[in-house]
Amino acid sequence: GENVGLHLPTLSVQEGDNSIINCAYSNSASDYFIWYKQESGKGPQFIIDIRSNMDKRQGQRVTVLLNKTVKHLSLQIAATQPGDSAVYFCAENIGTSYGKLTFGQGTILTVHP
Amino acid sequence: DTAVSQTPKYLVTQMGNDKSIKCEQNLGHDTMYWYKQDSKKFLKIMFSYNNKELIINETVPNRFSPKSPDKAHLNLHINSLELGDSAVYFCASSQTTREDEKLFFGSGTQLSVL
Repeated sequence: GENVGLHLPTLSVQEGDNSIINCAYSNSASDYFIWYKQESGKGPQFIIDIRSNMDKRQGQRVTVLLNKTVKHLSLQIAATQPGDSAVYFCAENIGTSYGKLTFGQGTILTVHP
Repeated sequence: DTAVSQTPKYLVTQMGNDKSIKCEQNLGHDTMYWYKQDSKKFLKIMFSYNNKELIINETVPNRFSPKSPDKAHLNLHINSLELGDSAVYFCASSQTTREDEKLFFGSGTQLSVL
């Protein structure tokens, strides 16, 4: 497949399981964080975002957790489905310019039926 | 009803050529961006324009020249293409408010320089 040989972190789960994708960020001044999903041949698609004045935010089947003490961000996907299979990116903005996102390396999520 | 559309989807060209990628957004956003994704899937910002004004220019070679005729369009022109320019280029847009910073991306242009 397209992701073979990429050497990105991978997560394989069974359909119906919950998935947790982790991300460590580097800049303690970052005040905005966002998760994107990228399917093969497509652009990054917004999933959920969170500001640094929050530590948790929930969406439909997704939850983002922010731990500023250890500079860690996670994305939880409930009842993972085969359609969730994609590369997931976290990104941060240190607040100097709107839209200047610094992306993490990506995690490949594979959901087995 | 594509929100951020870019053309072409694929671009194959020889070294030394000049090429352009076009981008249009119909979301009414005031800021547009170009991001580059390399073969390892690493995404990095190149440029941003706010209401036709250059805001971000991230140490990109001056062979790359963005042009924004209006706030709904941001094109990318690349001169004297090099092998290392091969990548997927994504256009994006956002409405720059503190309440909403999320970017909406196009589907990408895969550039292959031979």
